[in-house]
Amino acid sequence: QVQLVESGGGVVQPGRSLRLSCAASGFTFRSYAMHWVRQSPGKGLEWVAVISYDGSDDYYAESVKGRFTISRDNSKSTLSLQMDRLRTEDTAVYYCARDLDNTGYYYRYFDYWGQGTLVTVSS
Amino acid sequence: EIVLTQSPATLSLSPGERATLSCRASQSVSNYLAWYQQKPGQAPRLLIYDTSNRATGIPARFSGSGSGTDFTLTISSLEPEDSAVYYCQQRSNWPPDTFGGGTKVEI
Repeated sequence: QVQLVESGGGVVQPGRSLRLSCAASGFTFRSYAMHWVRQSPGKGLEWVAVISYDGSDDYYAESVKGRFTISRDNSKSTLSLQMDRLRTEDTAVYYCARDLDNTGYYYRYFDYWGQGTLVTVSS
Repeated sequence: EIVLTQSPATLSLSPGERATLSCRASQSVSNYLAWYQQKPGQAPRLLIYDTSNRATGIPARFSGSGSGTDFTLTISSLEPEDSAVYYCQQRSNWPPDTFGGGTKVEI
């Protein structure tokens, strides 16, 4: 069965960095675009970033562009999110999510989600 | 950025009743709209995509309709396990894809 397991969350001071990981199993990871979506009490659900099936292409929300970097290792079925220059408004539960389409196309609906990892940015 | 507005904020109904949830877009999203269900402490679950297509394993009591700017999620006969928050999401104009603020269904 499809499993996505995030890790790496925690408490960090504003301006510092954090790296999230998502371990995927139960499907052909290299065939799917993958996303990060976050959820905070104040802003609800917010799409953060997407990476193509082969890692050659990515897109970001304006709120994180230039600070966050999405990457993947298809040999290890792992998705990552490097978060630099963190702000208090980045506080949220971060989910990795699989794209609905298995042909490498960005369908941009999310059919499987991890359990989420909490990132708290606070001094 | 397309804004999705969901109504009502909360819907209180009894088992067996019909639930009708609304999602309105600030501009046309064609039929590129999905619905998700989220229970406390869980990740969202895809119910409906492209307005009316049920995702794998979703019961037939869940259906979606609409086009352009006005969309509806209908739960034909509520079960106790349908208590959750329901979100709509559009993929018409990106980045970013955006979500609505949610409707809480209490049973």
